[in-house]
Amino acid sequence: KNQVEQSPQSLIILEGKNCTLQCNYTVSPFSNLRWYKQDTGRGPVSLTIMTFSENTKSNGRYTATLDADTKQSSLHITASQLSDSASYICVVSLSDAGNMLTFGGGTRLMVKP
Amino acid sequence: DADVTQTPRNRITKTGKRIMLECSQTKGHDRMYWYRQDPGLGLQLIYYSFDVKDINKGEISDGYSVSRQAQAKFSLSLESAIPNQTALYFCATSDSGYSYNEQFFGPGTRLTVL
Repeated sequence: KNQVEQSPQSLIILEGKNCTLQCNYTVSPFSNLRWYKQDTGRGPVSLTIMTFSENTKSNGRYTATLDADTKQSSLHITASQLSDSASYICVVSLSDAGNMLTFGGGTRLMVKP
Repeated sequence: DADVTQTPRNRITKTGKRIMLECSQTKGHDRMYWYRQDPGLGLQLIYYSFDVKDINKGEISDGYSVSRQAQAKFSLSLESAIPNQTALYFCATSDSGYSYNEQFFGPGTRLTVL
């Protein structure tokens, strides 16, 4: 069964600190992996996308890594800000005709002043 | 994302009532999706459509139906709502011409079934 598991489920950090979120997947056949940010009461918004051949991708203070051999990904947030408080969702796309998505349960991050 | 809108944003209803959730998009995308999100769980696909009149079941379609009469609109119906359908519902769109199938999500509809 295709699955995406994220850890931790929730995390509290102080403003200015760094943090790393983890994602393990068993999705096959793999096409790409994406990290979404979901603010409370809003729909998810894409942060980064990585294909099989990419092992790192940055978007400002967000850096995602991908190890396709171990089927693991991480999202590193540098110098956290209060606005980083949100849920972060790891999403893996199948390389089928519809590129269907499998979603992780998300990590709820709270950044405190 | 202002380009994908959902109505209503919040709805409280009673068991057995028929409910319709609407989704509209101005992105010109051909593909549209309906998901539900429960606390602590990943988004689950209910139905999806790759074109007008094209309807496909997702992983949790029981108790739901959809209609795609126009490219820009995709509606989700609960024929007889039950309490375990209380959840956050998201509509999403994507462009089949883009190989990585980035999906753009609406703001969500919070549905409560009493």
